[in-house]
Amino acid sequence: DGGITQSPKYLFRKEGQNVTLSCEQNLNHDAMYWYRQDPGQGLRLIYYSQIVNDFQKGDIAEGYSVSREKKESFPLTVTSAQKNPTAFYLCASGTSGTDTQYFGPGTRLTVL
Amino acid sequence: AQKITQTQPGMFVQEKEAVTLDCTYDTSDPSYGLFWYKQPSSGEMIFLIYQGSYDQQNATEGRYSLNFQKARKSANLVISASQLGDSAMYFCAMREVPPGAGSYQLTFGKGTKLSVIP
Repeated sequence: DGGITQSPKYLFRKEGQNVTLSCEQNLNHDAMYWYRQDPGQGLRLIYYSQIVNDFQKGDIAEGYSVSREKKESFPLTVTSAQKNPTAFYLCASGTSGTDTQYFGPGTRLTVL
Repeated sequence: AQKITQTQPGMFVQEKEAVTLDCTYDTSDPSYGLFWYKQPSSGEMIFLIYQGSYDQQNATEGRYSLNFQKARKSANLVISASQLGDSAMYFCAMREVPPGAGSYQLTFGKGTKLSVIP
C-alpha cells in the first residue's frame, strides 16, 4: 500500500537528549514537510524539502534539524536546543500541481 | 494578522443533517489554493477537498463541498448528511508562496471541532 509512515508513534525523551523522528513515504512525492501541532492549535511548519539534498526552514525551525539523503525519507531531529519540544509531530509529502499534502499518522513526543 | 481564520471553535450537528464550517483567508497572492483536512482523535490529517483560486466552480468530493466566495475571501466546508464518523477536528489551510520563499507553503487555521449527535 502506498502511504506515509512515521515512527515511533509515541516517544519519550529526557531533557538534554536529542531524538530523531522517522518519516518514510512510498508515494514517489518530491516534496516532504514536517509540522508541529500543540494542543488546540493548528499546524506550524518546521522544515520542508522540495528535492533530495535540499531543504528549507519553516516558521519554527529553531532547535530542529533535518536531512534529505533519499527521496523516500525525511527524518527530523529534535535537539536539546528546542526549549519546549513536547508536541505532536506530523510529516507530510506533496504532489506537484495542486500541491496537495498527504500526512502520516504522527509522532507524539513527550519530554520527561 | 491571521492568514486563515476559523471562527467556530466547536460545532454540533444532528446525524443526517448538513453542517457548514466557516473559513476566511487573507492573501495578496493571485494564485493560491484552499484545502480542508479532517483530524480524528487518532491524530492523522486526512485530506478532504481542494479549491484553486482560479477554479470557476465550487469543488465537491462526495458528501463534502466547498462554498468558495472569492470576493469575500471565504472558503466554507459543507458536509451533507452528517454521520457519526464525521466527529473530528476540521482544519482549513491555504497554499501560497510567502515572500522570499522558493515554493508553496501551507498555512493552517486553528480548527473547528465538529460533534455529530445521534
